[in-house]
Amino acid sequence: AQTVTQSQPEMSVQEAETVTLSCTYDTSENNYYLFWYKQPPSRQMILVIRQEAYKQQNATENRFSVNFQKAAKSFSLKISDSQLGDTAMYFCAFITNYGGSQGNLIFGKGTKLSVKP
Amino acid sequence: DTGVSQNPRHKITKRGQNVTFRCDPISEHNRLYWYRQTLGQGPEFLTYFQNEAQLEKSRLLSDRFSAERPKGSFSTLEIQRTEQGDSAMYLCASSARGALYGYTFGSGTRLTVV
Repeated sequence: AQTVTQSQPEMSVQEAETVTLSCTYDTSENNYYLFWYKQPPSRQMILVIRQEAYKQQNATENRFSVNFQKAAKSFSLKISDSQLGDTAMYFCAFITNYGGSQGNLIFGKGTKLSVKP
Repeated sequence: DTGVSQNPRHKITKRGQNVTFRCDPISEHNRLYWYRQTLGQGPEFLTYFQNEAQLEKSRLLSDRFSAERPKGSFSTLEIQRTEQGDSAMYLCASSARGALYGYTFGSGTRLTVV
């Protein structure tokens, strides 16, 4: 079975500090894509960052970066210089791509991040 | 580009009633997805359209659920004979290049079955 595990249901961080959200996943496929989505309170989910599994280089998007460890099936998200607007649920997700046939996006249960002033 | 629009935002219905939700994707996106999110869980895939064709349906989509996307534009999700277990947030997402490149989500329709 393909699963995503986010072991931290809730986390908090002081404004301007750095926080890392954990994610592990399980799949037997070798070709897949990993994502972090952010869901602010009462607002729509937005894509934060995307990683292609065949790329060894970790993806970065401004203050957001990932630590992708393929052998360990780990995909953590680091948020630097945390801002109050980063307060949200963060979901880790992945999708497989086998022979051009895409699977479905599989999400973890999420981590609720609170940024404190 | 006004994003993905979902209506209504909230729906309260009595058990046994039928409900219908609407999703208007970003106009140039030919791929449309429905997900369901229950409290404390991540979204779960329900169904996927490419243009007007429904290409995939989850086992979660029981016979009481039906989705359409006439003319490849907006989509509707209907739930017949609602049950309390159907209470959830129903999310719509669209994409121009496919799920591998990420989705644009709507704000969702929150369904409460009483």
